[in-house]
Amino acid sequence: DAGVIQSPRHEVTEMGQEVTLRCKPISGHDYLFWYRQTMMRGLELLIYFNNNVPIDDSGMPEDRFSAKMPNASFSTLKIQPSEPRDSAVYFCASSPTTGGGGYTFGSGTRLTVV
Amino acid sequence: AQKVTQVQTEISVVEKEDVTLDCVYETRDTTYYLFWYKQPPSGELVFLIRRNSFDEQNEISGRYSWNFQKSTSSFNFTITASQVVDSAVYFCALSEERSSRQLTFGSGTQLTVLP
Repeated sequence: DAGVIQSPRHEVTEMGQEVTLRCKPISGHDYLFWYRQTMMRGLELLIYFNNNVPIDDSGMPEDRFSAKMPNASFSTLKIQPSEPRDSAVYFCASSPTTGGGGYTFGSGTRLTVV
Repeated sequence: AQKVTQVQTEISVVEKEDVTLDCVYETRDTTYYLFWYKQPPSGELVFLIRRNSFDEQNEISGRYSWNFQKSTSSFNFTITASQVVDSAVYFCALSEERSSRQLTFGSGTQLTVLP
């Protein structure tokens, strides 16, 4: 198994531009999570899906952020328009149905908004 | 609401010393899972261990050991004979089986092992 695959690994964009982060979860995992890591706030959950349906998006900072999961093998996190304060590392993780199955994280996308 | 506290922000030890990283958690669920992750300077999150709330047996894996005590809501992590390669940020995390499936992280402990 290739694990959770995120792309791109690094993204540098100008303020105001649209940014799309991508994630391919592990096959068979029913849950998909998007986390953001910053020095100030640590690792915080943005949104998670169960069977492609968003369950909790209370962590999404504002309307500029949106996430979709059109099928079981793909999810996107979009920021439009991007701002410098969005600079962070964004992690995607997937998990099987039971919590005991563990959470596997992708390598992360380091986003820099200038 | 679930919460994880890692009071040690930074720890510095000399190689071959033992070091313990503390983790205290809060949850209302009776079924929950505790995790430790390692984040080396390269940035990825590496899974170390998972324990469920019904299994309080301590676990040892090589130089790593974990002490789970429900009475004090703690899940501490000890590295024996530390090595420079152990230098990383270590996160403790909690997930609840019923109320929420999200993984809640502590703020992390930066461990530096000096040669």
